[in-house]
Amino acid sequence: QKEVEQNSGPLSVPEGAIASLNCTYSDRVSQSFFWYRQYSGKSPELIMSIYSNGDKEDGRFTAQLNKASQYVSLLIRDSQPSDSATYLCAGGGSYIPTFGRGTSLIVHP
Amino acid sequence: DTGVSQDPRHKITKRGQNVTFRCDPISEHNRLYWYRQTLGQGPEFLTYFQNEAQLEKSRLLSDRFSAERPKGSFSTLEIQRTEQGDSAMYLCASSSQGTSTDTQYFGPGTRLTVL
Repeated sequence: QKEVEQNSGPLSVPEGAIASLNCTYSDRVSQSFFWYRQYSGKSPELIMSIYSNGDKEDGRFTAQLNKASQYVSLLIRDSQPSDSATYLCAGGGSYIPTFGRGTSLIVHP
Repeated sequence: DTGVSQDPRHKITKRGQNVTFRCDPISEHNRLYWYRQTLGQGPEFLTYFQNEAQLEKSRLLSDRFSAERPKGSFSTLEIQRTEQGDSAMYLCASSSQGTSTDTQYFGPGTRLTVL
């Protein structure tokens, strides 16, 4: 069974700090990974996708993928209170990604 | 590009009633997915269409659930004889065809409450 594991949190960081969100996956054939942000009561919103080992940066967000360790992470620099949300990790080797349960992030002023 | 839309946004129904939800994907996307999400969980896959063909269905999807995408555009998800355990957010997502897992864009969801 394909699994994507995330610590449910909450992860609490002060405003301006770096938030580090982690995710592990069990399916070695997974090729594509996604990070989504989900505010309470809303639907998931895509932040980033990553397909290759290494880092991918987009503004304040950096996704990191290590296929050998089956590990994906998301770094949020200069965290803002508006970043407070649940962050979902998803991965897949077929057309259908498997989602983790999400990590709740709280950025306090 | 108006994004993925879903209708209704909220539905309250009594146990035993049938409900139907609609999803309109991003216009150029040929893949469409239905998910269910409950509190504290990630989206759980229900079913997937490529154009009008339903290519995969979760084993978790009981016979009370049926989905269609008759012309490869919008899709409907019907739940017959609803149960309280069906209460959840039903999410639709769409993507364009690629060689592997495509980037999916979600609609706003339909929140179902079964009394």
